[in-house]
Amino acid sequence: DAGVIQSPRHEVTEMGQEVTLRCKPISGHNSLFWYRQTMMRGLELLIYFNNNVPIDDSGMPEDRFSAKMPNASFSTLKIQPSEPRDSAVYFCASSFGLAGAADTQYFGPGTRLTVL
Amino acid sequence: AQTVTQSQPEMSVQEAETVTLSCTYDTSESDYYLFWYKQPPSRQMILVIRQEAYKQQNATENRFSVNFQKAAKSFSLKISDSQLGDAAMYFCAYRRDQGGSEKLVFGKGTKLTVNP
Repeated sequence: DAGVIQSPRHEVTEMGQEVTLRCKPISGHNSLFWYRQTMMRGLELLIYFNNNVPIDDSGMPEDRFSAKMPNASFSTLKIQPSEPRDSAVYFCASSFGLAGAADTQYFGPGTRLTVL
Repeated sequence: AQTVTQSQPEMSVQEAETVTLSCTYDTSESDYYLFWYKQPPSRQMILVIRQEAYKQQNATENRFSVNFQKAAKSFSLKISDSQLGDAAMYFCAYRRDQGGSEKLVFGKGTKLTVNP
């Protein structure tokens, strides 16, 4: 099992540029999560999908952020335009999405984003 | 809204000794799940242990065990026979059971140093 795959591992961009982060969940998992980790705010959920449908996007900071899951094996998180305050580590996680069970979320290695 | 508090930003322990990391949480719900995740310098988030709130018995995974005090809303992690590889950030997390939400709420983390 390859685990959750994220790309790129590191991204450096300039303010105003569009950034796209990619995630491939574990095969067979039905839920996918995007988290952001910063020193100030810790680890916070941005959005999560179940069966490719967005379920909770209350953590998405603003309209500059968007996420899609066109199929069960791929998701993107896009920031347009990017700002220096978006600099953070972005994690993707996936799980079986079992309602009512102590379902385990498996995390990818993260993408470290730096916006200059 | 649920909150998770880790009051110890940093802890240290001697190799082979025992250390306890604290976590408290705030919720009005009776059914929920609690987790401890480990984040080593590689950034990968790894599940260490989980506890279902309806279970009175404390969870144990090899050298890791928890002290779950539901009335006090406390969920501490005990690491026995500490090893150098245990050095990492440790995050406590909460997940509600009702409503099918899979959202994890994380504490700010505790940095554990293991001294040889």
